[in-house]
Amino acid sequence: KNEVEQSPQNLTAQEGEFITINCSYSVGISALHWLQQHPGGGIVSLFMLSSGKKKHGRLIATINIQEKHSSLHITASHPRDSAVYICAVREYGNKLVFGAGTILRVKS
Amino acid sequence: ETGVTQTPRHLVMGMTNKKSLKCEQHLGHNAMYWYKQSAKKPLELMFVYSLEERVENNSVPSRFSPECPNSSHLFLHLHTLQPEDSALYLCASSQGQGGAYEQYFGPGTRLTVT
Repeated sequence: KNEVEQSPQNLTAQEGEFITINCSYSVGISALHWLQQHPGGGIVSLFMLSSGKKKHGRLIATINIQEKHSSLHITASHPRDSAVYICAVREYGNKLVFGAGTILRVKS
Repeated sequence: ETGVTQTPRHLVMGMTNKKSLKCEQHLGHNAMYWYKQSAKKPLELMFVYSLEERVENNSVPSRFSPECPNSSHLFLHLHTLQPEDSALYLCASSQGQGGAYEQYFGPGTRLTVT
């Protein structure tokens, strides 16, 4: 069992829908990252957070340290949001552990 | 533009070939990383360099040999690879090596071993 579990594994949404991707982890962490990987491979860091909530444009990331859970929300989704979204946690030993990713497809 | 470039973007090599992957970062960072991404598997950290010194080597087979000649360049030398080594190889860099530093990724090299 991976230390970082993401759900769902695959998600198809209609343009304009509100999207939630979840990440649960089983170890103590110092930070959690949300990454976006577009077809072709390039990865972009979306958020790095250790508590509370962060917002950037239509993207919102939240984390609950006690429950060892984080969510990534996309409001007013658009086809250009189609990508793989990866959750990664930084353990206290500085090791970065990645989830398997959530494949998002937004249809117009 | 992420500031981290990788060449080549695609590479096909036979099991007896020797090739090298190159990564360059233009961000003034001090730490660089090699990751392997196989189909339907999480990213796997292979090597970490901090200030040109290897600080982490996650049980990677010796057919993968990293080199960091300076803080801006990182190489991954490949020899006698196996078909299961086919994957996307990603380079990343960060300002420092540790939990407070965000990593910036390159576009990756898609490697196919025939």
